[in-house]
Amino acid sequence: QKEVEQNSGPLSVPEGAIASLNCTYSDRGSQSFFWYRQYSGKSPELIMFIYSNGDKEDGRFTAQLNKASQYVSLLIRDSQPSDSATYLCAFAGDTGGFKTIFGAGTRLFVKA
Amino acid sequence: NAGVTQTPKFQVLKTGQSMTLQCAQDMNHNSMYWYRQDPGMGLRLIYYSASEGTTDKGEVPNGYNVSRLNKREFSLRLESAAPSQTSVYFCASTVQVKPEAFFGQGTRLTVV
Repeated sequence: QKEVEQNSGPLSVPEGAIASLNCTYSDRGSQSFFWYRQYSGKSPELIMFIYSNGDKEDGRFTAQLNKASQYVSLLIRDSQPSDSATYLCAFAGDTGGFKTIFGAGTRLFVKA
Repeated sequence: NAGVTQTPKFQVLKTGQSMTLQCAQDMNHNSMYWYRQDPGMGLRLIYYSASEGTTDKGEVPNGYNVSRLNKREFSLRLESAAPSQTSVYFCASTVQVKPEAFFGQGTRLTVV
């Protein structure tokens, strides 16, 4: 059983719409949750992290965490073509984050 | 500020050859990591170094060795390359108490 599940996509949304990306994880002891964005041929870059249940907003991005349901999501408001990338969900089971587990990613395509 | 720098960016090896991937960070981070990324499988941890002088195995360590040369540098060695090691390799670093990772630009390795 995979430890992190993400829909591989592609998820296609029109420009200006809300993109919703979802992720489930299996480790109930997980403490830290992350969303990384990876453009084709580039390295992952952190865009959001969340440690507590609820919502966390940063600009056009909102991360939502529900530890009881083992579910984390990323909402991108006013999606832009430049948001087209693969989004990796990740979680760490310890505060040091030495064994962060990454999902395979969801490809997002924003149509102009 | 360069962040995390990996060399080389591309490499082609013949089966059985050896090579070392180099990684250096200038952010004074304590912890460093080596991941491999294969299509559909996300990032998988090969080895990590929680702090200078320590190294530990990750999820997929077989066929690899690492050296934490000093606080800045963490190298990955393939002693006898195999086609199964064809992948994109990423080095990353973190501040020890915050598991958000900063990635190098990656090394695309092909073993023929």
